[in-house]
Amino acid sequence: DAGITQSPRHKVTETGTPVTLRCHQTENHRYMYWYRQDPGHGLRLIHYSYGVKDTDKGEVSDGYSVSRSKTEDFLLTLESATSSQTSVYFCAISMGQRETQYFGPGTRLLVL
Amino acid sequence: GDSVTQMEGPVTLSEEAFLTINCTYTATGYPSLFWYVQYPGEGLQLLLKATKADDKGSNKGFEATYRKETTSFHLEKGSVQVSDSAVYFCALSGEGYQKVTFGTGTKLQVIP
Repeated sequence: DAGITQSPRHKVTETGTPVTLRCHQTENHRYMYWYRQDPGHGLRLIHYSYGVKDTDKGEVSDGYSVSRSKTEDFLLTLESATSSQTSVYFCAISMGQRETQYFGPGTRLLVL
Repeated sequence: GDSVTQMEGPVTLSEEAFLTINCTYTATGYPSLFWYVQYPGEGLQLLLKATKADDKGSNKGFEATYRKETTSFHLEKGSVQVSDSAVYFCALSGEGYQKVTFGTGTKLQVIP
C-alpha cells in the first residue's frame, strides 16, 4: 500500500471557523490531489499540486485553499467553514498525470 | 469536457452470479481508463486499468476491455463473492490533463 496518511480522520467544527486538513505521503510522488466525496456526486476535485509550491484549482475550489511547501505534505484549508462543506475528503497521490492514483483513508468533516 | 457515465446502483446479486457494471465515457483522443473500488470506510484503490484501445485490464477475477468504437469500459466478473460488496468507480485520465474524471460510483451488494 502507498504510504499516505490524512489527519485528522474525523472533525466536527462550527460554521465560520477555519479548518486545515493534512495529507502526508512517504512515496515521493510528484502529484497530489484533494477530492471531496458526496452522495450522488462521486468524487470531485478541489485542488491539485504538480510540485512544491505548484498548485491549481479543480472543479469545486471555491471556499478552499491549498499549500504545498514540501514534497510530502499537502494542506487543504477551509478559510471559513460552511455547512455545505460537510463531506468526506480524500487525498490522493500519483507519479504522473495519467498514472494510477493512490488514495488516503479519508477525513470525515462535519460543519455544524 | 471529459465525462464518465456509470449505471445507477445499487446492484444486488446473489453469490456466484455474473456481474456487469456499465461505463461509457466522453473524451477527446485516447484517454487512459480505470476502475477503482471503495470498500466501506476506506479510500479508493485501483482495481484495473487500460491505456489503449482493445486493451483488457484484469485483476482479482474482474475484467474490463477498452472499446474505442463504443467509448465503453464495462466491468465484468464471472462469479461474485460477498467480499466483492463495495462501491465501484469508473474513471478516465484524458490526454494533456493533470486530473482524473470519476463517475458517480455504483454500489454492489452481494448476498449469500
